[in-house]
Amino acid sequence: DAGVIQSPRHEVTEMGQEVTLRCKPISGHNSLFWYRQTMMRGLELLIYFNNNVPIDDSGMPEDRFSAKMPNASFSTLKIQPSEPRDSAVYFCASSQTGRTEAFFGQGTRLTVV
Amino acid sequence: KQEVTQIPAALSVPEGENLVLNCSFTDSAIYNLQWFRQDPGKGLTSLLLIQSSQREQTSGRLNASLDKSSGRSTLYIAASQPGDSATYLCAVPSNDYKLSFGAGTTVTVRA
Repeated sequence: DAGVIQSPRHEVTEMGQEVTLRCKPISGHNSLFWYRQTMMRGLELLIYFNNNVPIDDSGMPEDRFSAKMPNASFSTLKIQPSEPRDSAVYFCASSQTGRTEAFFGQGTRLTVV
Repeated sequence: KQEVTQIPAALSVPEGENLVLNCSFTDSAIYNLQWFRQDPGKGLTSLLLIQSSQREQTSGRLNASLDKSSGRSTLYIAASQPGDSATYLCAVPSNDYKLSFGAGTTVTVRA
């Protein structure tokens, strides 16, 4: 398996624009996570899906953030409108279940100017 | 709330020396603990997963121990190489799915 695949790897956008980050989890994994990494706060869980259903979105910072998982092989994280403080590295991770080993993608480095 | 601490924050050693990285957590009611490696500008690579029933887990030159009762885990890297230079992160579950991460230990192995 190619592992967790994220796109794009880098995104630079202007404040106010919509940003969509994409993730393809490892085939057969039922759990999908979106994390955000910043120097100040480290790694934080944004949202957790199990069997394509959002279970915990308490980490989503604001209504500007939304995430979907239309099927078992694809998820998106959308920020609309984007702000400079959203600049961070966003990671997608998957695991067979919520309790098993988590595998992370390469991340998307987002810069909002 | 699960709090994870990693000491030291940074470590620099000459090539060949053994590395000892420490991780402590506040809530000992965990079912596993995971060690990751992160290279600059890259994602997290899973190194080892230790189940709560295990005392240690080994993979090549890496050995991780777990002492649930004291809330501690240690990652040992034997005979370090310059390619081991990276940030090492410890992650502990806060509930059935959410991982709490330490801030990491940044390792530099000097050739």
